[in-house]
This record gives sequence, structure tokens and C-alpha cells, in this order.
Amino acid sequence: DAMVIQNPRYQVTQFGKPVTLSCSQTLNHNVMYWYQQKSSQAPKLLFHYYDKDFNNEADTPDNFQSRRPNTSFCFLDIRSPGLGDAAMYLCATSRDPSGQVGDTQYFGPGTRLTVL
Amino acid sequence: AQSVTQLGSHVSVSEGALVLLRCNYSSSVPPYLFWYVQYPNQGLQLLLKYTTGATLVKGINGFEAEFKKSETSFHLTKPSAHMSDAAEYFCAVSDNSNYQLIWGAGTKLIIKP
Repeated sequence: DAMVIQNPRYQVTQFGKPVTLSCSQTLNHNVMYWYQQKSSQAPKLLFHYYDKDFNNEADTPDNFQSRRPNTSFCFLDIRSPGLGDAAMYLCATSRDPSGQVGDTQYFGPGTRLTVL
Repeated sequence: AQSVTQLGSHVSVSEGALVLLRCNYSSSVPPYLFWYVQYPNQGLQLLLKYTTGATLVKGINGFEAEFKKSETSFHLTKPSAHMSDAAEYFCAVSDNSNYQLIWGAGTKLIIKP
């Protein structure tokens, strides 16, 4: 089945130690998103890629970076994790928004990040 | 700016009872509306969405939602709750200027035996 895969499902890191979360998709979608979700809150969009074009949300801290080396893969790098960065990180994809407002976003299972 | 309001951060119903989760939106143009479900420590799964056409939308797991433009609402219902429906439910509206989603705060559905 076509899907969005996130690895690892659970990640523990130390305060200030860089960490990378990965996302891959077999849907061949053009758009990939990274969200941060804290407990009992709605997902918060960090950034998204439309194909290779990177779009950063205005309030996303510089501590968060992303890479998309090809259509299938996208990475979230947290350069110096703080205690406040502990959250669920969700990757999502959508097919192609041009002319298709309302296109569905498909989510991966998420990576739960713990910062010690 | 568009916004989404979900009434009730927690809703508790008995197994077999009607489920009603409320969602209201503000939008100056016809919206595209979504309901997603999230089980503990899982990603979000699309339940249903409204884009155009029939205002009563049927989704997975027996859920449906009705788009009411006059009330700017998109409430989610299920006739008979099952224990497996216990989860968090998010309503979202698509920003018509781009493809981002505006999310409601979520409603946690609790099913009592």
C-alpha cells in the first residue's frame, strides 16, 4: 500500500544534541510537510516543500531545518534541541496543490521526540 | 483570516449513543473542510472531507458530516458510538490562498462502557 513512513517512531536525545527525523513516501506526491504537535494541541506547520521549493513558516525557529534530497524523502533536522522541542513530529504529503485547493494531506505515524 | 472553532475539548458519550462533534469555521469564500482522527501516539487519518457538491459527506468508520453554509458549520456525527471510536478529532479548513490547513484545537472523544 502507498504510504507515508516515519523513522524512528520514538527518538530520545539530549539537550543540545542534534537530531534528525526522517520521512519517506511511496505516494509520489509533490508536496511534503513537517508539523510539530504538542500534547493535546493541533498540529503546527513548521515548513513544507512544493517539489524542491522550500517554504518556511514565519514563526518556525531557526533551530529547525529541513532537507528534501528527492521526491520520496524529507528530513527534519533539529540543530540544538531544547526541552521545549519535545513533541510529536508529523510528516504529511499532498499530491499537487496547483489548481486543487482542498487537496488531502496524508500523514505518517509520527515520531515522538523526548529531550532529556 | 480563516479560523476553525471546535466546541468542547472533551466529549463523553456512552457506547451505542449518538456522537456529535461540533465544528464552526470562518471563511469569506467557499471553504474546503476536513475531519481527521488521531489515535494515541499515531498520525492523523482522514475521516472525510467536503469540497463541493452534496453537503452531506460520508466518511470512514460510519462517520458523516454536514456542511451548512448558513451556519458556517461542519459537525461530525455517528449514530452509534463504539469503544474503538475513542480518539482525538480535528476539524480543519483549507486556506483558499494556498494549500495549508487551518486547524481546530481538537476534541477528545471519550466512550463510556
